[in-house]
Formats: sequence, structure tokens, C-alpha cells
Amino acid sequence: EAQVTQNPRYLITVTGKKLTVTCSQNMNHEYMSWYRQDPGLGLRQIYYSMNVEVTDKGDVPEGYKVSRKEKRNFPLILESPSPNQTSLYFCASRGDRAYEQYFGPGTRLTVT
Amino acid sequence: LAKTTQPISMDSYEGQEVNITCSHNNIATNDYITWYQQFPSQGPRFIIQGYKTKVTNEVASLFIPADRKSSTLSLPRVSLSDTAVYYCLVGEGYSTLTFGKGTMLLVSP
Repeated sequence: EAQVTQNPRYLITVTGKKLTVTCSQNMNHEYMSWYRQDPGLGLRQIYYSMNVEVTDKGDVPEGYKVSRKEKRNFPLILESPSPNQTSLYFCASRGDRAYEQYFGPGTRLTVT
Repeated sequence: LAKTTQPISMDSYEGQEVNITCSHNNIATNDYITWYQQFPSQGPRFIIQGYKTKVTNEVASLFIPADRKSSTLSLPRVSLSDTAVYYCLVGEGYSTLTFGKGTMLLVSP
């Protein structure tokens, strides 16, 4: 089944404790991206990657890092999480049909 | 990137047709119009995409007038399970698609 998976689905952590949210897709898509969703603000793009070893900032990249060493994986790294990064995070990928993104199930992160 | 404007919320009843209009006055020649649906605590899901005139699939229809400054997503005979947020996006496709705040559609019995 074609899908985007994220782990963990839920995470509660403390300020400053480094964490990684993994994202993997099995559709051989070149493009992958990360979004955060907050009430009243909609979906905002954090980072995106056009291909392996190619990443670029989205609208709200501060406090986040990403890497794309393999085509299928695109982890999101929070080196020193802060409470304002409490949010619902989505990973997405897209293939040849550029307008059709496939989203993962989401990771709900709480930073205390 | 073309800015889009759509209603914040809409209400409907089961069995009715729902039309959600999106305004995109500064749409560029190469831009396409794409609609996504999002259920609570789930990732958005692609519904339909078009460039001009009318597009129809098994889920919805998309109407785009000749000037392309607006578009209308039409959902025929909605059910309770169509309660969701609907996003209108405009972009060149391979550029970054920007999600706005969307339209919250509430379908009641």
C-alpha cells in the first residue's frame, strides 16, 4: 500500500531535549516536505526536499533541521525544542503528479 | 504565489449540494488550482485539480470560469462524513503549494 509513515505519532518532551521525528514513504517520490499545523494558522511548510541531499527552507524553518540521505526518508530534527514548537506535524511526499501530495498521519508534539 | 480567499466556514445538511468558492484574483498563467480535504487530526487529502473550465471526478467537480480569478468546488449530495476543512491552493505545481486556513464545512443530519 502506497503510504507515508511517521513516527512517533504522539510525543511529549521537555524543553531542550533533542528529538527526531521520522518520515518514510514507499512511493519512490523525489519531493518530500514537512508542515506544522496550529489552530488558526493553518498548515505552514517547515522544510522541503526536491531530492536526495537537496533541502530548502519553507515558511517557518527556525528551530528545525532536516536531512535527506535516502530517497524514502526525511527526518525532522528539533535540536533544542521549545514550547512554541508544540504542534501537529505532517510529513508529505509527491511524485510525478506535482499537485497531488500524500500526507502522513501526523505527529502530535507537546513540549513542556 | 497567488493569494487565495475562501469562506472560513459553511454549514449544510445531508443530501444537499455544497459549493465552496475560492477567489484568486492574481492567478498566474502557469498556475493550477488544487483542492484538498482534511479531516480532524489527519493529513490533508488531494481531491481535485484543474486549470480551466470544468473538471469532475468521483468525489467532486471543479468549476473554473474563463478569467480564472475564482473557482468553485462542488460536492454533490453531501453526507456527515464530508464534514472537514477544504483548502484551495493555487500554484505552478512544482513550486511550493501554500495552504491557507481553508473552509470548515459542517454537515448536519
